[in-house]
Amino acid sequence: GAGVSQSPRYKVAKRGQDVALRCDPISGHVSLFWYQQALGQGPEFLTYFQNEAQLDKSGLPSDRFFAERPEGSVSTLKIQRTQQEDSAVYLCASSLAGTASPEAFFGQGTRLTVV
Amino acid sequence: AQTVTQSQPEMSVQEAETVTLSCTYDTSESDYYLFWYKQPPSRQMILVIRQEAYKQQNATENRFSVNFQKAAKSFSLKISDSQLGDAAMYFCAYKARRGGADGLTFGKGTHLIIQP
Repeated sequence: GAGVSQSPRYKVAKRGQDVALRCDPISGHVSLFWYQQALGQGPEFLTYFQNEAQLDKSGLPSDRFFAERPEGSVSTLKIQRTQQEDSAVYLCASSLAGTASPEAFFGQGTRLTVV
Repeated sequence: AQTVTQSQPEMSVQEAETVTLSCTYDTSESDYYLFWYKQPPSRQMILVIRQEAYKQQNATENRFSVNFQKAAKSFSLKISDSQLGDAAMYFCAYKARRGGADGLTFGKGTHLIIQP
């Protein structure tokens, strides 16, 4: 696709509900990142994929958060048993591999509200 | 661990004037990238400008330029001839160069207001 696409754009979940957020990166981009942006803050790194391999998940805040990219393209971020502190915008970004092209291209994010 | 600090939560400038947004960072790496991203209300992060740490020359993109002071670990953004469309949140970000696998570390952002 022309850009990074995320869906849904808005999600309201009741506390305790499971949610799944989708990211469709730019075609051919090897690297894929997930970030969490709380209200009034900068984005914070959650996890990183190179193709289908999850190489870094050090930013995932708890074991309720799980991400996958099974075929090296579309990625899903799943949050189990959502809690109010999970309310945030979840941003996905993709980039080409290697150091020659460090720019990350971002989607419009999914705003998750847990009530 | 690296940190990025933006000490100006909000800045205001008259249309057509020049404004400078500040950013400092801390890292033990010698080779890295620095970025300024713009985030309008649509939430999509848009790359404004990028600087490689090994380059002494400051990056410039049309009305946007940076003042990169590596020894001081400072990376400010200057916007000349400010336009109404420049109004947005601006984030300074850092990325280590090694391997390309590191994610971005962001500051907390500066809300830029353009007064007509």
